Amino acid sequence: AQKVTQAQTEISVVEKEDVTLDCVYETRDTTYYLFWYKQPPSGELVFLIRRNSFDEQNEISGRYSWNFQKSTSSFNFTITASQVVDSAVYFCALSEGEFGNEKLTFGTGTRLTIIP
Amino acid sequence: ETGVTQSPTHLIKTRGQQVTLRCSSQSGHNTVSWYQQALGQGPQFIFQYYREEENGRGNFPPRFSGLQFPNYSSELNVNALELDDSALYLCASSFQAGNTIYFGEGSWLTVV
Repeated sequence: AQKVTQAQTEISVVEKEDVTLDCVYETRDTTYYLFWYKQPPSGELVFLIRRNSFDEQNEISGRYSWNFQKSTSSFNFTITASQVVDSAVYFCALSEGEFGNEKLTFGTGTRLTIIP
Repeated sequence: ETGVTQSPTHLIKTRGQQVTLRCSSQSGHNTVSWYQQALGQGPQFIFQYYREEENGRGNFPPRFSGLQFPNYSSELNVNALELDDSALYLCASSFQAGNTIYFGEGSWLTVV
């Protein structure tokens, strides 16, 4: 069975600090996809990244970076030089299967608060 | 702006009633999924439709049902509403070929 664990329930950092959100997953499939979504108070899940199980390269997009390590089943997300607009709940999710758009299993989310 | 629109945005229903939530997918997306997100929790998969056929279902009772139309818009119906059905209901669309899954803003349902 697939499972996603986000052990950090809430994190608060002062603006401009770096912050890392942890994500650990469990799956028996060899082909799977990992996602990160941001959820502001409005409720919409905003897509941040999608990574398949065969691509372990780390990725950087502006102030965001992701560290995928199959050996530890982790897909961690780092925000560099945090800003108040980064305050939100962040979800890590897993999709098994070759297409990567089947059922998503979400973690319980990490509420990130950036203090001005 | 994801191109996925949901209606209504907020609604209040009485226990035992029925509700229909609607979703308009992003153009060209033939796969739609519905998720339930209770307060303080992560979204839970309800079911998925691909080309008008159910293509997977989560651990939800049969009173949760759905439809996908030829234009790929979708409905989620919930019968015999219970207080625990109070949640944010999210619709997600994608094109089945390994592309990104986009979510709408959700419908906030309160059952009293």
